[in-house]
Amino acid sequence: GENVEQHPSTLSVQEGDSAVIKCTYSDSASNYFPWYKQELGKRPQLIIDIRSNVGEKKDQRIAVTLNKTAKHFSLHITETQPEDSAVYFCAAPHSNYQLIWGAGTKLIIKP
Amino acid sequence: DAGVTQSPTHLIKTRGQHVTLRCSPISGHKSVSWYQQVLGQGPQFIFQYYEKEERGRGNFPDRFSARQFPNYSSELNVNALLLGDSALYLCASSLAQNRNTIYFGEGSWLTVV
Repeated sequence: GENVEQHPSTLSVQEGDSAVIKCTYSDSASNYFPWYKQELGKRPQLIIDIRSNVGEKKDQRIAVTLNKTAKHFSLHITETQPEDSAVYFCAAPHSNYQLIWGAGTKLIIKP
Repeated sequence: DAGVTQSPTHLIKTRGQHVTLRCSPISGHKSVSWYQQVLGQGPQFIFQYYEKEERGRGNFPDRFSARQFPNYSSELNVNALLLGDSALYLCASSLAQNRNTIYFGEGSWLTVV
């Protein structure tokens, strides 16, 4: 079955700097990799996703890269802002009906 | 266009009681999944329903059950509540069954005392 590992568990960066969160997965058949942002007391919200037919996807300050050979994918946030502070989760599909989630990364943006 | 709606948003139950949580998917979405999120952890998959049939079940005891109605809304039922069932219960909606983007509702915060 699928196993997703996420690092680091906590990441503290200076406002304006970049943040990178990494995930590895085990199922080579996985072909869809979403990233969710969860603010305290709120639901997870999809911020970006990537499918296995591309290696990188960007949306303004957020980008995701995928290395299928190494079975890892990463979230990149540039020019970080205070509102980027949250817990970020990666996920990968297991079978046809569920997502397996990473343990989450608490991102702290220091002013 | 309404998103995924869940009710109730917050509730407190006593050990041994039963709870029913409700979810309405995004209009046009036929798949509903339920996840449990314990504080400080990522969501854990409980069930997926597609076209009113259970298509997947996570590693949860038989005290947890669910169903999907003809209008694609869904209920999650938990019997004989334990303190450890205290969590945020998330309903997720997707267009179809297979590995599509899922959208979460606001969740139902369950506290068992």
